[in-house]
Amino acid sequence: DTGVSQNPRHKITKRGQNVTFRCDPISEHNRLYWYRQTLGQGPEFLTYFQNEAQLEKSRLLSDRFSAERPKGSFSTLEIQRTEQGDSAMYLCASSLGGGAGSPLHFGNGTRLTVT
Amino acid sequence: GDSVTQMEGPVTLSEEAFLTINCTYTATGYPSLFWYVQYPGEGLQLLLKATKADDKGSNKGFEATYRKETTSFHLEKGSVQVSDSAVYFCALIKTGANNLFFGTGTRLTVIP
Repeated sequence: DTGVSQNPRHKITKRGQNVTFRCDPISEHNRLYWYRQTLGQGPEFLTYFQNEAQLEKSRLLSDRFSAERPKGSFSTLEIQRTEQGDSAMYLCASSLGGGAGSPLHFGNGTRLTVT
Repeated sequence: GDSVTQMEGPVTLSEEAFLTINCTYTATGYPSLFWYVQYPGEGLQLLLKATKADDKGSNKGFEATYRKETTSFHLEKGSVQVSDSAVYFCALIKTGANNLFFGTGTRLTVIP
């Protein structure tokens, strides 16, 4: 069990640029989640996948955000035309199954700073 | 709507002191309740959980009891250590839902 891996750890970009983050979940986990965490707040749900299917998206996920999990393994989260308000820690988590009986395993996150 | 309210931090305690971090929730139905912990430089980790009323979750000396009558899930530890210094998040998941709903977190610092 190598845990959930996220890359890069940090990303600094200028407003208006596009950025892409990658998440590699625990290999046997079929569910993958993206959360966003701003300073002083708890993580907020963005979206989740079961295998390659994106099954739920939060209202926080504006049309500038897109997530994919093409083969049901790793996932990418792209933000187009970044804004300063996008600055946050982006967290990925995975689980085997869903609900209370399937705890989420979180990665260390990608910290995005938009200047 | 659903919400989780945690006591505001930061909390600073001396080693071996008793810890309580309050958490109350608002949710329809019967959610499952969790405490996650984030140690410095690390990702969130599940600390303990309880899935129904009067259940007690416990791990690493920490305990929390699901109190439906007071809609609470307070985290307690009888004797904290320096290594317990971290940010603690209370969270819930509603029955049939697929995502965790987190509180704002409480930073605990334990001094020798």
